[in-house]
Amino acid sequence: AQTVTQSQPEMSVQEAETVTLSCTYDTSESNYYLFWYKQPPSRQMILVIRQEAYKQQNATENRFSVNFQKAAKSFSLKISDSQLGDTAMYFCALRQYGNKLVFGAGTILRVKS
Amino acid sequence: GAGVSQSPRYKVAKRGQDVALRCDPISGHVSLFWYQQALGQGPEFLTYFQNEAQLDKSGLPSDRFFAERPEGSVSTLKIQRTQQEDSAVYLCASSLGVDRPYTFGSGTRLTVV
Repeated sequence: AQTVTQSQPEMSVQEAETVTLSCTYDTSESNYYLFWYKQPPSRQMILVIRQEAYKQQNATENRFSVNFQKAAKSFSLKISDSQLGDTAMYFCALRQYGNKLVFGAGTILRVKS
Repeated sequence: GAGVSQSPRYKVAKRGQDVALRCDPISGHVSLFWYQQALGQGPEFLTYFQNEAQLDKSGLPSDRFFAERPEGSVSTLKIQRTQQEDSAVYLCASSLGVDRPYTFGSGTRLTVV
């Protein structure tokens, strides 16, 4: 069975600073994808960043980057130069090839001015 | 369409009432997923369609939940004899294939009173 654990229910960060959200997961497969999704109050899940497990290089998307530690089954998200618009719920998710997405419980991120 | 469309956006049902939630995926997306998201939690998988075939319904919580996608496009999630524990946001997502990126709709918030 796949599981995803996010141990930080809430995080706060000052505007323009950097914050890291933690995620650990468990899977018996060697091939899988990992994702970070953002869910603002509008409820729509927005893909922030995606990592394929076979790639050793950490994914980056502008101000967003991940620290993927496959052996430790850890997948943290770093947000640089935080902006007020980054305030949202963030979900870590795992998907084995040919299978469904499994989500963590989420971390509420508040960016303060 | 440009995105995944879900209706209604909000639904209030009296306990025992039947409800039907609609999902209109992106044109050409063969894979369609339904998720249930309880307040303050991560989404949990309900069911998955590949075209009109329901390939996985392992997440449906009881036989009161039923989903269909008769023509391989629009899908309906039906909940019979609603209970208070059914109160949640129901998210629909579609993709070009099971291993392709998902696009989520904005969900239907169901409140059972």
